[in-house]
Amino acid sequence: NAGVMQNPRHLVRRRGQEARLRCSPMKGHSHVYWYRQLPEEGLKFMVYLQKENIIDESGMPKERFSAEFPKEGPSILRIQQVVRGDSAAYFCASSPRTGLSTDTQYFGPGTRLTVL
Amino acid sequence: DAKTTQPPSMDCAEGRAANLPCNHSTISGNEYVYWYRQIHSQGPQYIIHGLKNNETNEMASLIITEDRKSSTLILPHATLRDTAVYYCIVSDGSNDYKLSFGAGTTVTVRA
Repeated sequence: NAGVMQNPRHLVRRRGQEARLRCSPMKGHSHVYWYRQLPEEGLKFMVYLQKENIIDESGMPKERFSAEFPKEGPSILRIQQVVRGDSAAYFCASSPRTGLSTDTQYFGPGTRLTVL
Repeated sequence: DAKTTQPPSMDCAEGRAANLPCNHSTISGNEYVYWYRQIHSQGPQYIIHGLKNNETNEMASLIITEDRKSSTLILPHATLRDTAVYYCIVSDGSNDYKLSFGAGTTVTVRA
């Protein structure tokens, strides 16, 4: 059973460009979470999505950042007009949300974004 | 707003058991204790979780005190590849999906 897939693993962008990060959840998982890890810091929650729905985007910066999880295809985290402060590792996690009392999140390998 | 307290670092000899403590004195009745680890720049890896009973899987054992205010993750035979940052997280797993990764414990396994 393949784990959570993320691509690209490394992404280099110049200031002002757009970055698109993709995440394919584990098979059977319909819930996706994005986290950001700045250098020398812990992971911070950004957004929680189900298929075609954003459930909680309270951790997302108000501007330039958006996320989607379409009916078909991977979840996309999009950063417009990137700035140097966006340089970080972006991790995606997925969970099955079975309705049981506990729901474990499984993480992908991350995308390391470098803004020049 | 961390709900857990962990020592910042610890060393362990290869082949020996590594015991990683975690304090979570404000844990509520429906919150689980989760452990993840992050090996240098990789994605966090799920290790184990438990509510109140001790748990064991192929990676580790989790011992939770009777009052649930603290727990210990045990790596029975540490290898060099277990060198990582270990995170203890409390979450109810369903409604509390924003996992809070604090500083964790940096475990260094030495040959």
